[in-house]
Amino acid sequence: NAGVTQTPKFRILKIGQSMTLQCTQDMNHNYMYWYRQDPGMGLKLIYYSVGAGITDKGEVPNGYNVSRSTTEDFPLRLELAAPSQTSVYFCASSYLQGVGSYEQYFGPGTRLTVT
Amino acid sequence: GQNIDQPTEMTATEGAIVQINCTYQTSGFNGLFWYQQHAGEAPTFLSYNVLDGLEEKGRFSSFLSRSKGYSYLLLKELQMKDSASYLCAVSDRTDSWGKFQFGAGTQVVVTP
Repeated sequence: NAGVTQTPKFRILKIGQSMTLQCTQDMNHNYMYWYRQDPGMGLKLIYYSVGAGITDKGEVPNGYNVSRSTTEDFPLRLELAAPSQTSVYFCASSYLQGVGSYEQYFGPGTRLTVT
Repeated sequence: GQNIDQPTEMTATEGAIVQINCTYQTSGFNGLFWYQQHAGEAPTFLSYNVLDGLEEKGRFSSFLSRSKGYSYLLLKELQMKDSASYLCAVSDRTDSWGKFQFGAGTQVVVTP
């Protein structure tokens, strides 16, 4: 059971380039999330998904796009990268059904620098 | 939405106790989580509170008062490995089930 995996671990982009951050989970979780974390700050929600085919915006969606064609995969697309998108990106998943704890499991993160 | 406040940094000695407070404002409280994050690593789940009271898990305990919009995480018998950032996260059912807002985190420094 690998949990939540993310690729790549590190990436340097030039301004205006595009890339896709990959995220896969093997826990059959229905919810998946993308966060960014700037130095010394908490996590800001970019997009989330409640199941295959359903996505919604979080607090900071501008400049990003997502899709959820399968339960397992939730890629994050950056179009026209800007220096303000330099951050650490975390993917997470959780399983929600009725009441009870629904903690999130996080991937190891992708460290992105845009120069 | 929610406002979540927690102290920026706390320092304590190995073997001591530290209490990290978290205050929040939310229109439809649906649960509060604590996560631990070591430098350069991903957050990992510590505790969950949805009803008032204390939840104990070994050296870590978490308390919730919904009427006061207040929680704390208590770390006992501090060890050097407890040096990390501790994130408070709140779920609001009026926003979206399963969606969270995180505080900025409290950096705990454990000294010998």
